[in-house]
Amino acid sequence: EVQLVQSGAEVKTPGESLRISCKASGYSFFTYWINWVRQMPGKGLEWMGRIDPSDSYTIYSPSFQGHVSISADKSINTAYLQWSGLRASDSAMYYCARQLEPGDHDAFDIWGQGSMVTVSS
Amino acid sequence: SYVLTQPPSVSVAPEQTARITCVGNNIRSKNVHWYQQKPGQAPVVVVSDDSVRPSGIPERFSGSNSGNTATLTITRVEAGDEADYYCQVWDNISDHPVFGPGTKVIVL
Repeated sequence: EVQLVQSGAEVKTPGESLRISCKASGYSFFTYWINWVRQMPGKGLEWMGRIDPSDSYTIYSPSFQGHVSISADKSINTAYLQWSGLRASDSAMYYCARQLEPGDHDAFDIWGQGSMVTVSS
Repeated sequence: SYVLTQPPSVSVAPEQTARITCVGNNIRSKNVHWYQQKPGQAPVVVVSDDSVRPSGIPERFSGSNSGNTATLTITRVEAGDEADYYCQVWDNISDHPVFGPGTKVIVL
């Protein structure tokens, strides 16, 4: 079965670091880009960035550039989303989703179950 | 960046037809994907490339795209179709995906 399994919920205080994960199975990890999408409570979907697991080439949305880091470990078929200094406004659900090729023709066809991040003092 | 507009909500009685619009400048030149998100769940693609239904998605879901408006149509609506629906396109200028704000389908 093709699936993306994300790490569990996290509760952090402002300023802390955090890395959440997205483990792929059931397909060739190198074949699909992995995207990260934020959903704040009661709000819509926001694209954060994507990574090509074959070479770790990464592109970020300007809204998130410099605040998050996306990486991948192809030896364990896992992509990561990382913060070095969390803010309360980072409290949200985060989804990973795969896409065959960036561009017009390929939807985000498989999504992870989501990782809830709560940042509170 | 490219902007998409969706109605906040659409109300429909069971067995009737729901139409969810997604408006964008000359959207007909783009491929539109539609995602369904039920409460507490991850999004699921229900229509891709304007009108392609992925495996496992009921035939009741269909899509069209013309002019400045793409439309997701759900026929014979069921209670289980109650969800948020998001359209998504690719912004070729920024090389980024863009999501619409989402439409809540309410089954009366």
